[in-house]
Amino acid sequence: GDSVTQTEGLVTVTEGLPVKLNCTYQTTYLTIAFFWYVQYLNEAPQVLLKSSTDNKRTEHQGFHATLHKSSSSFHLQKSSAQLSDSALYYCALSYGSSGNKLIFGIGTLLSVKP
Amino acid sequence: EAAVTQSPRSKVAVTGGKVTLSCHQTNNHDYMYWYRQDTGHGLRLIHYSYVADSTEKGDIPDGYKASRPSQENFSLILELASLSQTAVYFCASRRLGGRNEQYFGPGTRLTVL
Repeated sequence: GDSVTQTEGLVTVTEGLPVKLNCTYQTTYLTIAFFWYVQYLNEAPQVLLKSSTDNKRTEHQGFHATLHKSSSSFHLQKSSAQLSDSALYYCALSYGSSGNKLIFGIGTLLSVKP
Repeated sequence: EAAVTQSPRSKVAVTGGKVTLSCHQTNNHDYMYWYRQDTGHGLRLIHYSYVADSTEKGDIPDGYKASRPSQENFSLILELASLSQTAVYFCASRRLGGRNEQYFGPGTRLTVL
């Protein structure tokens, strides 16, 4: 079936080191766009990055992701993790003729330690 | 400032009781959504709506009803609340257009006892 897979439930990284959160997908739908949402503790999910162009790097707030349709992936990376990056991260894709629905992964909790 | 608000922010309900969660948006968006969040499942779509007085089933609609009386308001109704419906519920809105993201409200923590 159609799905978004985030293989790590928890990623722990030391402040200042690089971090990578994995996201792969499987879908038979006409996919419109791909998103990374971030949810800080007791807050609402909010968009961190979005992309709809194959092989194009997208950046925001020090994070970057590149959509690779050949490998069905949209991994999130940052070169130097900060304590304030600790949060729950969701990968999602929108589909349908108007992109009106999202499929979310189960989320990856990023914990940045001093 | 454009926003999505939800009420109540938390609620304790009894099994078999009726629960209504409310959502209000000032984004002037066409689409509104209801999700539930559970550890290990992420965010799952319950119901959504693209116009007032019309709702659509999402991926997990069983046990839930939805109502969209106006463009700004979208309610989620649990007619007979069950223990398995204990979760955090998020409302979201989105402007019409293929690549537009959804904007989420702050969530409602529902505990069914």
